[in-house]
Amino acid sequence: DQQVKQNSPSLSVQEGRISILNCDYTNSMFDYFLWYKKYPAEGPTFLISISSIKDKNEDGRFTVFLNKSAKHLSLHIVPSQPGDSAVYFCAASILTGGGNKLTFGTGTQLKVEL
Amino acid sequence: DSGVTQTPKHLITATGQRVTLRCSPRSGDLSVYWYQQSLDQGLQFLIQYYNGEERAKGNILERFSAQQFPDLHSELNLSSLELGDSALYFCASSVAGGGIYNEQFFGPGTRLTVL
Repeated sequence: DQQVKQNSPSLSVQEGRISILNCDYTNSMFDYFLWYKKYPAEGPTFLISISSIKDKNEDGRFTVFLNKSAKHLSLHIVPSQPGDSAVYFCAASILTGGGNKLTFGTGTQLKVEL
Repeated sequence: DSGVTQTPKHLITATGQRVTLRCSPRSGDLSVYWYQQSLDQGLQFLIQYYNGEERAKGNILERFSAQQFPDLHSELNLSSLELGDSALYFCASSVAGGGIYNEQFFGPGTRLTVL
């Protein structure tokens, strides 16, 4: 049962334009969401997070939007740069419960073209 | 460089064997997490230790076990290996045992191949 879903395995965007990566979740207990970026032969790198009490969080070129009623979040990258080409993972966790288990989506391969 | 180190980088072994993967967390981090990334399953949480004690458990097989030592490094032991255990194994660390803004920093992973 895939509780966190990234339905687009790949996305291609031109340099300077906006990249929008989407993520859906099914478990309503999730209350903390994160985006990670992964380059080949490296571990995932934390990008940005959002708590369920917010609907938007911004950090430089990266903005995450959360729509709790739709159980949907998205990551916007503006402007996109060639160095952003990587696999992006959405992850979710439940803050109560004593631990910090992350449930990951399957990832979206972003390619930023010149 | 996240500051999390994992050894070895690559491991090739045979079915039925036992291996140990090692992880050193970032300086100051008390939590260590283990994840498995296989081709068909994506990144799956296995287990979390916080300051030497088990804090959270995922779908970790009974053939797998982990521990965190007093110096906070962790080892993941995989025994009676099967072909399906071939995967990338990532270790991550974080400052606290849980809560908000407790982001996890990942190591480069150990690629395990079971022949």
